[in-house]
Formats: sequence, structure tokens, C-alpha cells
Amino acid sequence: AQSVAQPEDQVNVAEGNPLTVKCTYSVSGNPYLFWYVQYPNRGLQFLLKYITGDNLVKGSYGFEAEFNKSQTSFHLKKPSALVSDSALYFCAVRDRTGNQFYFGTGTSLTVIP
Amino acid sequence: EAQVTQNPRYLITVTGKKLTVTCSQNMNHEYMSWYRQDPGLGLRQIYYSMNVEVTDKGDVPEGYKVSRKEKRNFPLILESPSPNQTSLYFCASSPIRSSGGPDTQYFGPGTRLTVL
Repeated sequence: AQSVAQPEDQVNVAEGNPLTVKCTYSVSGNPYLFWYVQYPNRGLQFLLKYITGDNLVKGSYGFEAEFNKSQTSFHLKKPSALVSDSALYFCAVRDRTGNQFYFGTGTSLTVIP
Repeated sequence: EAQVTQNPRYLITVTGKKLTVTCSQNMNHEYMSWYRQDPGLGLRQIYYSMNVEVTDKGDVPEGYKVSRKEKRNFPLILESPSPNQTSLYFCASSPIRSSGGPDTQYFGPGTRLTVL
């Protein structure tokens, strides 16, 4: 079965500190991996994706993520958090051989001024 | 402006009264999909469509129907809604990669449905 785990429901970080939002996945083949962000009362917005190539992926708003095949992880990171980064973050995966997406349960990030 | 639109944005209805939530995209995307978002469960895929007249079940298709008669539209139909279908629903669209399969999804603003 294919699945995505986001082990932390809530992450709190002080403004200016680095942040990490964790994601691990389970797929039967090679994955396409995505991060999306949801602000209150809005739809999801794309942040970044891993398709192939360099394991470190850079995306919007200074976010980056590292694909680790051996640990089946795709953690989202940012070197210096902003209050405006406070939102709900979702990790998603698609097996390259399928057309269905699997999302994690989401991690609520709060950046404290 | 490239976008996915959903209507209505908010809907309160009663058990058993058929309803349709519309979804339209103006990006000429082949792939469209419906999700429901519930606290603690994240997003779960209900149905998806790879192109006109091609639809497939996601993880939670029971109680829902979809149709894809035109490329831009992908309505979600609840023929006999029940309270357990109270949720936040999102429509999304995506281009198909040259290697096959959907890519980055673009999401609509969401429809908050309450079934009494």
C-alpha cells in the first residue's frame, strides 16, 4: 500500500530559526514527491517537487527539501523562518507507474515572533 | 489568469438531497481530481480523470460520482448525501508529463459542505 506519513501534527519555531517539517513515504516503485502549503481559508499551493536528479530541491519562498531514498524521506526545510510561513503543510507522493496521489495528514507550522 | 474554480464555495444541505459541486479549469490540463480534507486525515483522493471520458476511483469513492464530458469541467455529484460526507472538498488539475502521468497539481479554493 502506498502512503505518506507526517509524524508531527504541529511544529513551532522562533522567527529567524531554521525549520524542518518531516515527511516519510511508502510506494511500490520510484516516487514523485511534492510539498504543498495551505493558508487559512485557501486552497493548496505548490511549493516544490522531486522528480529526478539532484536530491536537494529548491522551491518557492526560500523552501528546500532533500530526497533521501534509503530513508524514504522528503523533509521540508528553510534556513530562516518568517512569521508569514505559518500555515499548514502537506507532503504528497505519486508512484511513477500510477496516476493516484497520496497525501500526508498535514503539519501545522507556527512561527513565533 | 490561470485558475481552478469551484462552485459553490459553501453549501449546507440535508441528508438525501442530491447536489453537484462544479469544477472548471482554464489551463487545458488533461488530469483533474477531487479530494476531501478532514481533520487528522489530510487530503484523500475521491476520483480522478486522466482525460475526457476517462475516470478512476481514488481512495474514498463511495457515495460520490463524477463525469468528464469536457476537458475543462469535472463536476462532483453526491446523489444521496449523508452526514459523513460533511467535509472540505478540493478540485485540482494537472498537466500530463511527457513521460506519462500527472505532475504538479493546481488546486481550487475549496467547497465547504455540511450535510445535516
